[in-house]
This record gives sequence, C-alpha cells and structure tokens, in this order.
Amino acid sequence: AQTVTQSQPEMSVQEAETVTLSCTYDTSENNYYLFWYKQPPSRQMILVIRQEAYKQQNATENRFSVNFQKAAKSFSLKISDSQLGDTAMYFCAFMRNNAGNMLTFGGGTRLMVKP
Amino acid sequence: EPEVTQTPSHQVTQMGQEVILRCVPISNHLYFYWYRQILGQKVEFLVSFYNNEISEKSEIFDDQFSVERPDGSNFTLKIRSTKLEDSAMYFCASSEALIFSSYNSPLHFGNGTRLTVT
Repeated sequence: AQTVTQSQPEMSVQEAETVTLSCTYDTSENNYYLFWYKQPPSRQMILVIRQEAYKQQNATENRFSVNFQKAAKSFSLKISDSQLGDTAMYFCAFMRNNAGNMLTFGGGTRLMVKP
Repeated sequence: EPEVTQTPSHQVTQMGQEVILRCVPISNHLYFYWYRQILGQKVEFLVSFYNNEISEKSEIFDDQFSVERPDGSNFTLKIRSTKLEDSAMYFCASSEALIFSSYNSPLHFGNGTRLTVT
C-alpha cells in the first residue's frame, strides 16, 4: 500500500515571496505519478502540476515547480512570486501506474498568502 | 470552461436513511470517480466507473455503497443505510481518459457535497 505524508499542516508566505511545500511518499512501485492539487475555499480541487516518475526532469507550470527526488521519495512544490489567489489547501497525491486514476492523497497543507 | 457539478452542496440525513449524491461530469468524459474526505482527514478514493461498470473500488466502498449512471449525464452515489461515520465531504470527479495514457487527462473535481448524518 502507498502512503503520502505532508508534514506541514499550515504555512504562510508574504505576497511575491517563494514558498516550498513538502511531500514524501512510500511505495514499492517503480512506475507511478505524483500530483499537487489545490483546493481553494470554493472547495473544487484543481490540478496544479503532475510528475511522471520515469522522467528525471522536474515538472514546471508557470510559477509552480516541483523538486522530485525519486530515491528519497520526496516531491516538494515550489510556488514562486506567491499571489493572494494561491491561498488554498494543497494536496500531494500519488498514483501507481495502471491504477485507473486511483489517487492516494496526503493530509494537505493549508497555505495562507499574506498581503 | 466545463465543470463537474455536484448537488446538493450540503445534505443532512438521519442515521439509517438512504441518501443519493448527484454529479454531472463533464460531457465528453468517460471515466467517473467518487472520493470522500472525512473532516480533518485525508481525501480517500471510493470508486471508479467506466463503461457502465465499476473498474476499481476501495475497501471503504462496501455493500452499503453503489454507483449508477442512470442516464447520459448524471453519475450518482447511493448510500443505502447511512451511518454516523459516513459524514464527510464527497467529491465527484471525471476524466476524459486514463491518466497513464499518453494524453494528458487530469481528473476534474466537483465542489463536493457535504453529507452530515445525525
């Protein structure tokens, strides 16, 4: 069974600053996918970024980037130039290959961006 | 942008009652899912559904739960006899394809239905 751990229940960052959210996972699989989802107060979970485990290059999406360390089973999310609209819960999620979109989520990190 | 919509946003029911949570997935999506989040806990996978049948389910998804796509647009989750521990936020999601395909097909989540069992 897979587990996903987010060790930071809450974080805050000043607007325009950079923040890094941590995520570690445990699996015996070699092929899998990792995701960061954002859940704003509207409650809808929105995909922020995804990483395929077979890719060595870290994924980036505009101001969002990841630091994927496969050997360490670590998958952190960096948000650059934080904006007020980034205030949300952030969930790290794992999916093994051929798992039919069955995601295993971490407990979430509540991020507050302060003006 | 098309969205997954869920109704109602909040449902209160008495223990032992049946409840049906409704979802309208994005229209061209073929894969449908239910996840739930008990307050203060992790989001958990319940079930995935494709081609009118369950393709994966977790151990949470016992005989008290069922899913159905009664027509071309709705996707429902039924809990036959609710228990206090079924109180949670229930999220519906849909995707156009399976995520491990070469096509980038993320899950699109709805806003959730908060179920309160009293």
